[in-house]
Order: sequence, then structure tokens, then C-alpha cells
Amino acid sequence: AQSVSQHNHHVILSEAASLELGCNYSYGGTVNLFWYVQYPGQHLQLLLKYFSGDPLVKGIKGFEAEFIKSKFSFNLRKPSVQWSDTAEYFCAVNGGNYGGSQGNLIFGKGTKLSVKP
Amino acid sequence: NAGVTQTPKFRILKIGQSMTLQCTQDMNHNYMYWYRQDPGMGLKLIYYSVGAGITDKGEVPNGYNVSRSTTEDFPLRLELAAPSQTSVYFCASSYGRAYNEQFFGPGTRLTVL
Repeated sequence: AQSVSQHNHHVILSEAASLELGCNYSYGGTVNLFWYVQYPGQHLQLLLKYFSGDPLVKGIKGFEAEFIKSKFSFNLRKPSVQWSDTAEYFCAVNGGNYGGSQGNLIFGKGTKLSVKP
Repeated sequence: NAGVTQTPKFRILKIGQSMTLQCTQDMNHNYMYWYRQDPGMGLKLIYYSVGAGITDKGEVPNGYNVSRSTTEDFPLRLELAAPSQTSVYFCASSYGRAYNEQFFGPGTRLTVL
């Protein structure tokens, strides 16, 4: 069964600090990878996604993620965080197949990011 | 487009009561999903649907039922509410499944006392 691990439960940073949130997945086949963000009191929104091609993916609000196949990782990065980036971040993966449950997203447990002004 | 809408936003139930969480999308998406979100646990898939009339169980289906009579609507039914069902419930939809972004509704916060 697929699983997704997010290494940090809660990260606290000061504004302008650099951010890297870890995400590892267990599925060995072709995968599609997503990062979603949930701002306080709001629903989940897509930050970025990776299906194929350039392993460095750029998303909204200055976020990027790098897919490293050999490490089964898809870490999220931002060079300089802002107070408005305070949110919970979820990594998600599916197996890329349309059959059965493999097309459904498996979410990590999330990482809360608190940015101090 | 309103996207994905959910009602109610909040609800308190007593143990043993039943209720239906409503979900509607206006994007003509074939795929719809129900998740529950518990603190520190991420999102768990309850049920999903690949089109009108077709539903299937996700990871945590026990205690819930769904139906999909139209493309737009995907209600989630709790028949005998239990404290373990206290959670935030999110409905989502997508055009396709594996390669497509899921669009989420605003959520329903349910407390069972």
C-alpha cells in the first residue's frame, strides 16, 4: 500500500527565513505528486503538482518542489517565507494508474508552518 | 462558478442521531470524493465516485454511506452518529482522477456528543 510521510509536524520560522518541508512516499511505480496548502479556516488549495518532465516544479506564491526519484522524495521549498505563509501543508501522491484505488490521492499527515513576523 | 459547496458549515449531533452532509459542484466534474480530516492525521478518504450512479469505498468507510444520483451532488450520510465521527469533512471533485487537481469545498465541522 502507498504511504506518504511528512517529516515535520510543526515548523516555526521567522519572516525571510528559507523553508524546506520534507515529503517521502513509498510507492515504487510511476507517481503523480502534489502539494496542497490549507490556510487557517480555509479549504485545501493546490500549490503545485508534478507528473513528469523537469523534476523541479514551480508553483504559486513562490513555492517550488523537487522530485528526486531515487530518494522517493518531493520536498517543498521557498527561499524566503512571509507571515502570510502560515498554514498547514500537505503532500499527496497517487500511483498514476486509473484502475482501482490507485488513482486516489494518499495524503501525508501535514506540516504546520508558523511564520513569526 | 461557485466551485464545490458544502452544507452545513457546522453541526452538533447527539450520539445515535443521523444526518446528511451535502456537497455540490458546478464544474461538471466526473469524480467526487469525501474526506475526513482529524488533527495531526491528514486527510482520509471515506468514499469516492467516478460518475453518477457509481460509488466506491475509500480508506475509512465504516459508519458512512453515499449516493450519486447526479453529476453535481454527492451527499454523505451518517446513520448512527458516534463520537469517533467528530471531525472536519471535506468534499472534493476533479475532472479526471490520477492527473487532475482536486478542488475542495470549505468543509463541515461535525461534533458528536
